[in-house]
Amino acid sequence: DVKVTQSSRYLVKRTGEKVFLECVQDMDHENMFWYRQDPGLGLRLIYFSYDVKMKEKGDIPEGYSVSREKKERFSLILESASTNQTSMYLCASSPSGRSRGNEQFFGPGTRLTVL
Amino acid sequence: AQSVAQPEDQVNVAEGNPLTVKCTYSVSGNPYLFWYVQYPNRGLQFLLKYITGDNLVKGSYGFEAEFNKSQTSFHLKKPSALVSDSALYFCAVRDYTDKLIFGTGTRLQVFP
Repeated sequence: DVKVTQSSRYLVKRTGEKVFLECVQDMDHENMFWYRQDPGLGLRLIYFSYDVKMKEKGDIPEGYSVSREKKERFSLILESASTNQTSMYLCASSPSGRSRGNEQFFGPGTRLTVL
Repeated sequence: AQSVAQPEDQVNVAEGNPLTVKCTYSVSGNPYLFWYVQYPNRGLQFLLKYITGDNLVKGSYGFEAEFNKSQTSFHLKKPSALVSDSALYFCAVRDYTDKLIFGTGTRLQVFP
């Protein structure tokens, strides 16, 4: 079974703090994704990566950055956390797009609260 | 641009009755469509997908979905609902890269 793990299930931080969210997948997938989930808005893509050291902006990259130094690990960084970044953060991975039918596999999510 | 719409925020159904969760899509070219389910405080779990072939796609937990090209729909169905099916359901479409575009989600509530 594909396993995608995230470093924390719940996280509470203060405004202005630098926050790191870690994601690890064990299936050698090329693609990795970070989403945030908010009620009524569904999932919105923050950043994604097709390969090591490669990143692309998604729909809502402002206030976030990412790092992918190893194939299995994809980190989301909030440089200076703000209250409007309080949300559920979901990481996902998938094989590369040779077959466009590849589904994404999701981690359990990190519920971040910024006070 | 690719998009999906889930017109219902919530669907209520009695246990044992059939259920339908609606999804419509807008794509250029052939659609690649997915359904995911999310249980409380969990990540998303893949249910099923349509790539090509039969319009009726069978997936996990007894769910199926019907692809209708003329109506640009991909509704999720189950013949007999269970209380344990209560969850948040997301429809998604693949864009020209490997990204998924998600709908806003539909909360399914199955009453005993």
